[in-house]
Amino acid sequence: GESVGLHLPTLSVQEGDNSIINCAYSNSASDYFIWYKQESGKGPQFIIDIRSNMDKRQGQRVTVLLNKTVKHLSLQIAATQPGDSAVYFCAEGRGGSNYKLTFGKGTLLTVNP
Amino acid sequence: GAVVSQHPSWVICKSGTSVKIECRSLDFQATTMFWYRQFPKQSLMLMATSNEGSKATYEQGVEKDKFLINHASLTLSTLTVTSAHPEDSSFYICSARVQPRTSGIYNEQFFGPGTRLTVL
Repeated sequence: GESVGLHLPTLSVQEGDNSIINCAYSNSASDYFIWYKQESGKGPQFIIDIRSNMDKRQGQRVTVLLNKTVKHLSLQIAATQPGDSAVYFCAEGRGGSNYKLTFGKGTLLTVNP
Repeated sequence: GAVVSQHPSWVICKSGTSVKIECRSLDFQATTMFWYRQFPKQSLMLMATSNEGSKATYEQGVEKDKFLINHASLTLSTLTVTSAHPEDSSFYICSARVQPRTSGIYNEQFFGPGTRLTVL
């Protein structure tokens, strides 16, 4: 199940199940959104991105859904594997001269064998 | 491609000393690099944006005289933590921006592996 801890929400799933990680963003003017995976002691790793004019994008085993009405982003991981265990961050950004990313709180995904 | 390295990967120093962290883009040129700080179980917080050949832009609340950033070339940015104190202990991560490509990846940043700083 999903729970919210003091700092980091957690999600625990069984191997082979599908995982859904959610993110609420704050800036309705953001141009794009990116999901990153961060393993312990490492830097973030790009997973998938989506532009603000899209509502769905699919990659290998991953799908990102964007709902601009409620400013909500989700990452779906199909057939979750133990190697998917990590912290997942969503980030929102704007292009142009003020380009930068703002990261969300993150969700710790634990995959049980 | 698009590999970013950081050096050192970890450092332990005494309070009051200065520590320099290097960020390199290994196989591409990066006109813009970013420095983030991450405390345990927390998110990445942007500290500053580093532009090659110009002064860095610091986020609100980040002391520019304490966190010195130098982006001397298109492949190297350095972060110097001056007069480090225990509260500066953190995981410092850099990233380099790749220009938008026609493949569909949009405004992507590639991140370094991070540097764990421990100040005693």
